[in-house]
Amino acid sequence: EDQVTQSPEALRLQEGESSSLNCSYTVSGLRGLFWYRQDPGKGPEFLFTLYSAGEEKEKERLKATLTKKESFLHITAPKPEDSATYLCAVQGGTSYGKLTFGQGTILTVHP
Amino acid sequence: DAGITQSPRHKVTETGTPVTLRCHQTENHRYMYWYRQDPGHGLRLIHYSYGVKDTDKGEVSDGYSVSRSKTEDFLLTLESATSSQTSVYFCAITAAGFEVGYTFGSGTRLTVV
Repeated sequence: EDQVTQSPEALRLQEGESSSLNCSYTVSGLRGLFWYRQDPGKGPEFLFTLYSAGEEKEKERLKATLTKKESFLHITAPKPEDSATYLCAVQGGTSYGKLTFGQGTILTVHP
Repeated sequence: DAGITQSPRHKVTETGTPVTLRCHQTENHRYMYWYRQDPGHGLRLIHYSYGVKDTDKGEVSDGYSVSRSKTEDFLLTLESATSSQTSVYFCAITAAGFEVGYTFGSGTRLTVV
């Protein structure tokens, strides 16, 4: 059974204070690890897909990295508009694109 | 969200009544999914579809059924609603290959009283 654990559950930062979110996973035959952002009252929004250990992807102040056991979402010099819940998910060796999600990290960035 | 809409957005229903939620897409994607999101549990897969009339169960399928008679519509039915089915329900779509991830709908907040 695929499992995803995210930490911390909640993270409060000051504007400009860089930090990282963690996503630990166990999966049978990783086909992809996904990061999503979710704002209150909305559906998750796709950010990144990572496929293999050592891979990195960047988008504005966000950078996602992947090892064989975990992924990190690094946030550099965050702004209040980066406040959201960040979700990690894995797609295992089964077909049809099914994802297993972690519980998310609630990020709050104070001005 | 562009290309995918869920209806209704909010619904309150009584225990024991059947409820149907609708997901409509205009992207012509083959794969469609229903998830529920609850505090402490994250997003959990209820049912999914890999083509017209092709559906299968997810991890929390008990008490739910689905139908997909057209590419663009994926219906989720709660056969006899219970309070434990109070949740936010999200529909998602993706193209074959899955690299671009899901596109999610805006969700349906269902309350069973």
